[in-house]
Amino acid sequence: EVQLVESGGGLVQPGGSLRLSCAASGFTFSDYGMAWVRQAPGKGLEWVSSIGTSSGAMYYSYSVRGRFTISRDNANNSLYLQMNSLRDEDTAVYYCAKCFSAWGNFDDWGQGTLVTVSS
Amino acid sequence: ETVLTQSPGTLSLSPGERATLSCRASQTVSSSYLAWYQHKLGQAPRLLIYGASSRATGIPDRFSGSGSGTDFTLTISRLEPEDFAVYYCHQYGGSRWTFGQGTKVEIK
Repeated sequence: EVQLVESGGGLVQPGGSLRLSCAASGFTFSDYGMAWVRQAPGKGLEWVSSIGTSSGAMYYSYSVRGRFTISRDNANNSLYLQMNSLRDEDTAVYYCAKCFSAWGNFDDWGQGTLVTVSS
Repeated sequence: ETVLTQSPGTLSLSPGERATLSCRASQTVSSSYLAWYQHKLGQAPRLLIYGASSRATGIPDRFSGSGSGTDFTLTISRLEPEDFAVYYCHQYGGSRWTFGQGTKVEIK
């Protein structure tokens, strides 16, 4: 059974930094692209970032490019999201998601971790 | 960037009724990369349909997807109490991923 467990969320001040982690199990982690998707309070789902199987390709939404960095550790079946220069509008539940294959849509999701940016 | 527009924003129906949800893309979307998700408050989103019309593992056959090009549809043939939720369409293309804004299916 695929399991994705996010951690690292919390309260941070505007301009601050936070690192999210996603522990993956139940599948061959290195064979699949991975992504982060967020949902701000009262809003819909928003794609944040994706990473290829061997970290060779990374993509970001326009709203986080230059501030967030996605990475993965295939040896430890983990996905990360380093978030810098956080803004109020980054407040959201952040979900870790597994791609259907190397790329594509997302077939499994974690339960999410809440990030609150507020002074 | 491909914008997905879902309609209606809210669908008020009774259990047993048929639900038809629309997703329109601002440019042609590969059917291979058009998916639908169900999302309930406090839960992880759940993949329902991928490749525009293929049901994901364990998804009941009352859920069906259709469409191509720029127009896609999710149909729930007979609503069960557990189907009242928010539904999102989703596409991947050109190294970018986008979601529609969602359709809320609520109990009438």
